[in-house]
Amino acid sequence: AQTVTQSQPEMSVQEAETVTLSCTYDTSENNYYLFWYKQPPSRQMILVIRQEAYKQQNATENRFSVNFQKAAKSFSLKISDSQLGDTAMYFCAFRQNYGGSQGNLIFGKGTKLSVKP
Amino acid sequence: DGGITQSPKYLFRKEGQNVTLSCEQNLNHDAMYWYRQDPGQGLRLIYYSQIVNDFQKGDIAEGYSVSREKKESFPLTVTSAQKNPTAFYLCASSMSGVYNEQFFGPGTRLTVL
Repeated sequence: AQTVTQSQPEMSVQEAETVTLSCTYDTSENNYYLFWYKQPPSRQMILVIRQEAYKQQNATENRFSVNFQKAAKSFSLKISDSQLGDTAMYFCAFRQNYGGSQGNLIFGKGTKLSVKP
Repeated sequence: DGGITQSPKYLFRKEGQNVTLSCEQNLNHDAMYWYRQDPGQGLRLIYYSQIVNDFQKGDIAEGYSVSREKKESFPLTVTSAQKNPTAFYLCASSMSGVYNEQFFGPGTRLTVL
């Protein structure tokens, strides 16, 4: 079964600095998708960024970028120029690409990020 | 405005009672999902539906039931058989296809008294 591990329960960063959140996953599949979701104190889940496993190029969305290492099964999120509004729980998620459960997300336990002024 | 609505935001229930959580979407999405979130845990899948009148169990379906009679609606019933129902419940929807983003509702906090 696929698993997603986020080894950092909590992290903090100073405003305007850069922080990297770690995520590793375990799968025997070759085709899959990876996502980072943000959950601010409002508890609304928001998609931050996604990566297709067949693409070697790392995805980037404004201040957010990923370091996708397929062989190592690693998918870290880098937040540049951190802002106070980035304070949230961040969840890494995996989605397989086959079978009857197509589309189901498997989530890590999350990393609580605090951005300090 | 298109989106997903969940009601109520907070729900209190006495032990032994069934309760139904509402989830409605006007995004014309085919697929809908129910997740449970507990402190220190990620989201865990309860049930999902890829099409009207069809749904499948997720990882933690015991003590829950769903229906999908309309494309827009996917209500979740928490039955008295669910041993630890106090949690935050999130509904999501997406277009068909694994690449497509799941959009989440604002959630319902259920507390069993």
